[in-house]
Amino acid sequence: DTGVSQNPRHKITKRGQNVTFRCDPISEHNRLYWYRQTLGQGPEFLTYFQNEAQLEKSRLLSDRFSAERPKGSFSTLEIQRTEQGDSAMYLCASSRQGGFQETQYFGPGTRLLVL
Amino acid sequence: AQKVTQAQTEISVVEKEDVTLDCVYETRDTTYYLFWYKQPPSGELVFLIRRNSFDEQNEISGRYSWNFQKSTSSFNFTITASQVVDSAVYFCALSVGGATNKLIFGTGTLLAVQP
Repeated sequence: DTGVSQNPRHKITKRGQNVTFRCDPISEHNRLYWYRQTLGQGPEFLTYFQNEAQLEKSRLLSDRFSAERPKGSFSTLEIQRTEQGDSAMYLCASSRQGGFQETQYFGPGTRLLVL
Repeated sequence: AQKVTQAQTEISVVEKEDVTLDCVYETRDTTYYLFWYKQPPSGELVFLIRRNSFDEQNEISGRYSWNFQKSTSSFNFTITASQVVDSAVYFCALSVGGATNKLIFGTGTLLAVQP
């Protein structure tokens, strides 16, 4: 299995611009998660997909954030009208639904800097 | 509500020393899952171990060992004979399963192993 991949790895943008990140999960993993990690903190859950359905969104996910997973394969996370507070590492993880055996595997992350 | 506490922010040891990273969790759920992840400077979270709440057996994997104690709500991680390559941030995480299986992370412990 190839691991979870994320693109781009780094993104620098100006405040007010829109950005989009992509995550390609491990093949045949039907669950996909997005997390956000700020400096010195642990990752925080943003949203979750089972196949193509977005089943949960954190209250951290403001209206400026939108995520999709068309066809249940790759996923995109878009941030509109970026703010300096959006600067963080955005991590994607995938897992195969499996009850007590289920484990999430993470990608390398996309580091966003909003100037 | 669920919570994970890693009270040790930073630990510095000299190579070949043993080191224990502490993790205390809070949940009212009777079924839950505990994880340890390693985050090297490259940023990618690397899965180390998962433990299910109904399995209190301790585990050893090479130089790594884990001590799960439900009585004290702790899931501690010991590295024996530490090496420079062990230098990273280590995160403890909790999941209570259910529909989402999202992970709740602690704030991490930065381990620096000096040669």
